[in-house]
Amino acid sequence: GNSVTQMEGPVTLSEEAFLTINCTYTATGYPSLFWYVQYPGEGLQLLLKATKADDKGSNKGFEATYRKETTSFHLEKGSVQVSDSAVYFCALTPKASGGSNYKLTFGKGTLLTVNP
Amino acid sequence: GAGVSQSPRYKVAKRGQDVALRCDPISGHVSLFWYQQALGQGPEFLTYFQNEAQLDKSGLPSDRFFAERPEGSVSTLKIQRTQQEDSAVYLCASSDITGDDTGELFFGEGSRLTVL
Repeated sequence: GNSVTQMEGPVTLSEEAFLTINCTYTATGYPSLFWYVQYPGEGLQLLLKATKADDKGSNKGFEATYRKETTSFHLEKGSVQVSDSAVYFCALTPKASGGSNYKLTFGKGTLLTVNP
Repeated sequence: GAGVSQSPRYKVAKRGQDVALRCDPISGHVSLFWYQQALGQGPEFLTYFQNEAQLDKSGLPSDRFFAERPEGSVSTLKIQRTQQEDSAVYLCASSDITGDDTGELFFGEGSRLTVL
């Protein structure tokens, strides 16, 4: 079956530090990959996505590259801010014929705290 | 409203009680999803609607769980004879795309159910 493994938290950084949250996946075929973020008191929201190998998703200074050879989709940001404090979820949807592309499989989430 | 709205935000039930959780999706969104998020875990897929049709209910954990979306808008997730293992946050998400695409899901803040 499909699964996502992401770095366990919590991760605590100082403002302007470099961030990496590791994510690897197991899936048949070539899934689409996502990072969702949940800020305190809010619902999950899409941060970025990549739908094929070597694609790079980017948003709000965050980036992740779809690496088929290592089945990874690590999240990076060069300089984090206090406002980036949140829980980050890596997720995938299968890319199979006949549907089911909607069914997100999530990792367990990584809590990031950025201190001023 | 502007986003996905869920109610109640918090629900405490005694074991054996029935509960109903409501989701009001973004207006015009065709697709609606329910996910279950246990403490410290990522969300897990429960069921998917396209308009009023429930196209996938493979994630519902038992026949005590029932979801409906009779007019293709508001959805209700009902849990009968609640058990302690049902304690979780129940997330609703909607999207304006249908199942064969990899578009963005918009999540509500969730309904936190605690079964005593």
